Amino acid sequence: EIVLTQSPGTLSLSPGDRATLSCRASQSISSNYLAWYQQKRGQPPRLLIYGASTRATGIPDRFSGSGSGTDFTLHISSLEPGDFALYHCHQYGRSPPWTFGQGTTVEIK
Amino acid sequence: EVQLLESGGGLVQPGGSLRLSCAASGFTFNIYAMSWVRQAPGKGLEWVSGIVGDGSTIYYADSVKGRFRISRDNSKKMLYLQMNSLRAEDTALYYCAKDLISGNGVWEPYDIWGQGTMVTVSS
Repeated sequence: EIVLTQSPGTLSLSPGDRATLSCRASQSISSNYLAWYQQKRGQPPRLLIYGASTRATGIPDRFSGSGSGTDFTLHISSLEPGDFALYHCHQYGRSPPWTFGQGTTVEIK
Repeated sequence: EVQLLESGGGLVQPGGSLRLSCAASGFTFNIYAMSWVRQAPGKGLEWVSGIVGDGSTIYYADSVKGRFRISRDNSKKMLYLQMNSLRAEDTALYYCAKDLISGNGVWEPYDIWGQGTMVTVSS
């Protein structure tokens, strides 16, 4: 099983700041099958990024993903009020189990 | 509108059973793999089980293997999760989720999620 470790657990930033969220895998993720989701309180997750760097439909370009192998990053270039939320990384692909990180909360400083 | 709507959650005693349902609409249900993902209160997401479009391939997380059974009825556009021998650690919000892309031989991330149905296992 691939274990995903997200850091930091909580990120305290101000609107307009740049956010950098990390997701580290316990073993290499093939074909960069790594996704990021945003989850607001009381709502289901929303797909932001898949294939490590491809934005999902309707996702603004202030969200970007990078990385390969075992180290992946979600960048939010300039935080807007609606971006303060919980973020999950997720590895998927050919062989189960598919796993999620424990989440990073981006909170208003 | 593409939509998933879960139902069937509730309070059940340890050792009991529940059947969750997920009604799909707005997309060609039978070509997409579907999954159940759960989230314990205040915790992260945990993949539970997945089933391909024609139901021929099914996977389970080790934590539920032998106790849960996923199935689908493509004629009714419904996904199910039969949960038996429930434990306190199964307490969670259960989401059904749709794969992003169909038919490419890879299990995909989830682009559509339901609102979830809460399962509480307690005496």
